[in-house]
Amino acid sequence: QSVLTQPPSVSGAPGQRVTISCTGSSSNIGAGYNIHWYQQLPGTAPKLLIYGNNNRPSGVPDRFSGSKSGTSASLAITGLQAEDEADYYCQSYDSSLSGSRVFGGGTKLTVL
Amino acid sequence: QVQLVESGGGVVQPGRSLRLSCAASGFTFSRYGMHWVRQAPGKGLEWVSLISYDGSNKNYADSVKGRFTISRDKSKNTLYLQMNSLRAEDTAVYYCAKEGTADPYHFDYWGQGTLVTVSS
Repeated sequence: QSVLTQPPSVSGAPGQRVTISCTGSSSNIGAGYNIHWYQQLPGTAPKLLIYGNNNRPSGVPDRFSGSKSGTSASLAITGLQAEDEADYYCQSYDSSLSGSRVFGGGTKLTVL
Repeated sequence: QVQLVESGGGVVQPGRSLRLSCAASGFTFSRYGMHWVRQAPGKGLEWVSLISYDGSNKNYADSVKGRFTISRDKSKNTLYLQMNSLRAEDTAVYYCAKEGTADPYHFDYWGQGTLVTVSS
């Protein structure tokens, strides 16, 4: 299983707000390492969505936001759109694993 | 713009070897650490290996340690992954990824991936 824990799936209707949680431990999120989020549309490579807990790269809509508290983090998507249907992954660094970047298991977002 | 283009994937028998390449452009390759990340069919992302900007530091996931070797050639702006003693569980799409500019612990650009299938 993954070092970071995400729900396998979430869903929401167009226009709604959804959140995706990412739970870690004292050797990753709880140790102060940043959380990053990636969006993977069907059949494509992952794309950076949020870095450094709550920063959006150029071109990412402000409907996407991130937060972090303690050993957990969350990705929020407001004004849900059909094109947001994708897999979302959280990622951090884990001090107990050599060199290791670690991922969550991924969350499938379905837009109803 | 940043481009990462992987190549070298294919079908290989268990126990054999394969070398993946990742051609980089649009940024100063020699200034950034580079990574390989893989995704088994229908599964999530798994970090595989990293190499520092100058090639002096390399790290591997436990699942590939001792079998895979990461390297880079700054004259060719190319990242490599030598994969030996391949197993069925190494079957995956392999992505190369550039470390972040603002924070080296994330990946700000990814290639399109190359599929490696280990099967007899």
